[in-house]
Amino acid sequence: EVQVVESGGGLVQPGGSLRLSCVASGFTFSTYSMNWVRQAPGKGLEWVSYISSSSSTIYYADSVKGRFTISRDNAKNSVYLQMSSLRVEDTAVYYCARGMTGPLDAFDVWGQGTMATVSS
Amino acid sequence: SSELTQDPAVSVALGQTVRITCQGDSLRNYYASWYQQKPGQAPVLVIYGKNNRPSGIPDRFSGSSPGNTASLTITGAQAEDEADYYCNSRDTSGNHPHWVFGGGTKLTVL
Repeated sequence: EVQVVESGGGLVQPGGSLRLSCVASGFTFSTYSMNWVRQAPGKGLEWVSYISSSSSTIYYADSVKGRFTISRDNAKNSVYLQMSSLRVEDTAVYYCARGMTGPLDAFDVWGQGTMATVSS
Repeated sequence: SSELTQDPAVSVALGQTVRITCQGDSLRNYYASWYQQKPGQAPVLVIYGKNNRPSGIPDRFSGSSPGNTASLTITGAQAEDEADYYCNSRDTSGNHPHWVFGGGTKLTVL
C-alpha cells in the first residue's frame, strides 16, 4: 500500500523548535518530490515547502522562509521539516504530500497529518 | 504572490450537477488540481492535469480549465460528496516557484 505517515508534532512555546518526520512506504521514494502542506484549525490548506527527489531543488513559502528547513533521506524513505523560531500562527496540522512525477504538479498521496501547537 | 479564488460555499440537490470554480492568474500557465477533504480527514486528490482522475475516484468528477478559471464538476452528486473542495496550482510569479491553494468551497448536498 502506498502511504506516508507523519510524526513529531506537539506543543511548543513561541520561539521554540520542532522537527517533523514523514516516512514513506509502498513506492520508490527516491524518485518522487515531496511537500509539506499545513492547515490551521478551521482554515484552508497552505503549501509550506517542496524538495525534489535528489534534494537538489528546495522551495519555501514566504511565510516560513528562513525559519523552516526541509530535508530528506532517501535511504530511510523519509522527509523532514525542521521548524524554528515558531510563532503562534504556525499552529496547524502539517501534512506530508507526494508530488506527482512530470509536469502535473499535483499532490497525489497525503498522510493523516501531525498537529503542531505553538502556545505559551 | 498569486491567489486562487473560490466561492466559500455551494449547495446541490442530491443527484443534480454542481460546478465549483477557481480563478487565478497562475491558471493561465498551469493546470489546477482539485482536492476533496471531509471533516477530520486528510485531503484526497480528485482531479489533476487537463482532466484526469486518480484510481478510485468516481467518473462523476470531472475538471476543465479554460483561461484563468478552472472548474470541478460533479455530475449526479451523491451524499458522500459533501465535503470541502480545494483547488491548487503551481505559481511562478514572484521571486521563486511556489504552490497556491484556493480558500476552499464547502459543498452541501441537499
